Amino acid sequence: ETGVTQTPRHLVMGMTNKKSLKCEQHLGHNAMYWYKQSAKKPLELMFVYNFKEQTENNSVPSRFSPECPNSSHLFLHLHTLQPEDSALYLCASSQEDNPYNEQFFGPGTRLTVL
Amino acid sequence: GNSVTQMEGPVTLSEEAFLTINCTYTATGYPSLFWYVQYPGEGLQLLLKATKADDKGSNKGFEATYRKETTSFHLEKGSVQVSDSAVYFCALLYSTLTFGKGTMLLVSP
Repeated sequence: ETGVTQTPRHLVMGMTNKKSLKCEQHLGHNAMYWYKQSAKKPLELMFVYNFKEQTENNSVPSRFSPECPNSSHLFLHLHTLQPEDSALYLCASSQEDNPYNEQFFGPGTRLTVL
Repeated sequence: GNSVTQMEGPVTLSEEAFLTINCTYTATGYPSLFWYVQYPGEGLQLLLKATKADDKGSNKGFEATYRKETTSFHLEKGSVQVSDSAVYFCALLYSTLTFGKGTMLLVSP
C-alpha cells in the first residue's frame, strides 16, 4: 500500500450504533488530520495530530472521538451520531517540519447515518 | 480570519475549450496557495502550488499565478479534456490549511 488509505470506504449506521473509521499513512509523515466534507460546504478541519499529540480540535461534538496510537495510524470513533453527520470523512497526512506542509489525502469514507 | 472564495459551479465546457476558475483569498499574513483536485469517488490530490508572490504553479497543463496585489490565484488551462472533469479546490496555508467550497468542472466531448 502506498500513500494514505482509509477503511471502510462506505459505512451506513444507525444513530445508536458505535463504529470506527481507520486511516493509515505510508509516507513517513508525523502529522495527521481528519476533515469532514459535506455537500456545498468548504472542507471542515476536525482534528489535527502532530507527533501523536492532538494539537487542534475545531469544536467538534463529543460524539466524534479521535485516536492516534502512533504516527502512522489515525482512528475516528463514532457513537450516537445524527443524520446531519452524514458526509465524506477525509484523512490527510503531512510532514510537519516541511514549511509548505503539503497534505496528502486518502480516498475518504462515505458515511450515512440513518 | 483567513478565507478563500471560489467561483460557483458547475463550470460546463466542451473539450479543448479554455478554462478559468477564479479564486481570491483573505489572509492576515503571506500564505502559500494551492489548487487541489478531487476526481469522482476519490480524495483530494494536490494539483499545483505557489509559495510567494508572482510564483507560478503548473502541472498537467494547469497554471495559476500568485497575485498579491489582487489577492488572487486563478486556475487556467488552455485546452481541457473530458478527463479533467472533477471538483477543484483552492486553498491557502497560513498555520492551517483553509479551503474554498470547490468548483465542479464538467467537460463534454
